[in-house]
Amino acid sequence: GIQVEQSPPDLILQEGANSTLRCNFSDSVNNLQWFHQNPWGQLINLFYIPSGTKQNGRLSATTVATERYSLLYISSSQTTDSGVYFCAAYQAGTALIFGKGTTLSVSS
Amino acid sequence: GAVVSQHPSRVICKSGTSVKIECRSLDFQATTMFWYRQFPKQSLMLMATSNEGSKATYEQGVEKDKFLINHASLTLSTLTVTSAHPEDSSFYICSRRRRGNTDTQYFGPGTRLTVL
Repeated sequence: GIQVEQSPPDLILQEGANSTLRCNFSDSVNNLQWFHQNPWGQLINLFYIPSGTKQNGRLSATTVATERYSLLYISSSQTTDSGVYFCAAYQAGTALIFGKGTTLSVSS
Repeated sequence: GAVVSQHPSRVICKSGTSVKIECRSLDFQATTMFWYRQFPKQSLMLMATSNEGSKATYEQGVEKDKFLINHASLTLSTLTVTSAHPEDSSFYICSRRRRGNTDTQYFGPGTRLTVL
């Protein structure tokens, strides 16, 4: 099955800094999603982005399907951005497969 | 608003008992639902895929007799952890997707199981 790798595993930032999280996937995919898992465990869907670029406030994401990677950009980070960010992808007929996540810590 | 609900959100049980977790699709009939498990500080691991009216498909290494999945209707799937042991303590999350291969997959709020 498909493999999903995320980097970096951990990221520590000062409030106001920008960051880029990367997701590599091993094969072509039908879907790619970015999630933020809050302290209670709920997965918050950030982007559905099998290709192209999307923006939502301070967050944006780009997927280059031909090169099998996706990037999540966080600008002007805030303490509330802290948590675990997951990338997940699936191929036709399968379920989302998750990467190991990036744990982001933003300090004031 | 929430499109997938789970009940209970948290359960503590004694070793050897069985626990049932319900997952409901709130806004449309989900022909396919998925169950994941997440251990502390780890990623989500797919346990099984549940299709309405047919047997669930389990991932390698997941005991089908221990984790019973019933997709009883187009809006309800249940996961029963049978004869639970402390090593089954985990965060269980269900998910659903519309028919088709290009739609967003939505997740429930999860159920935290602690087996004493």
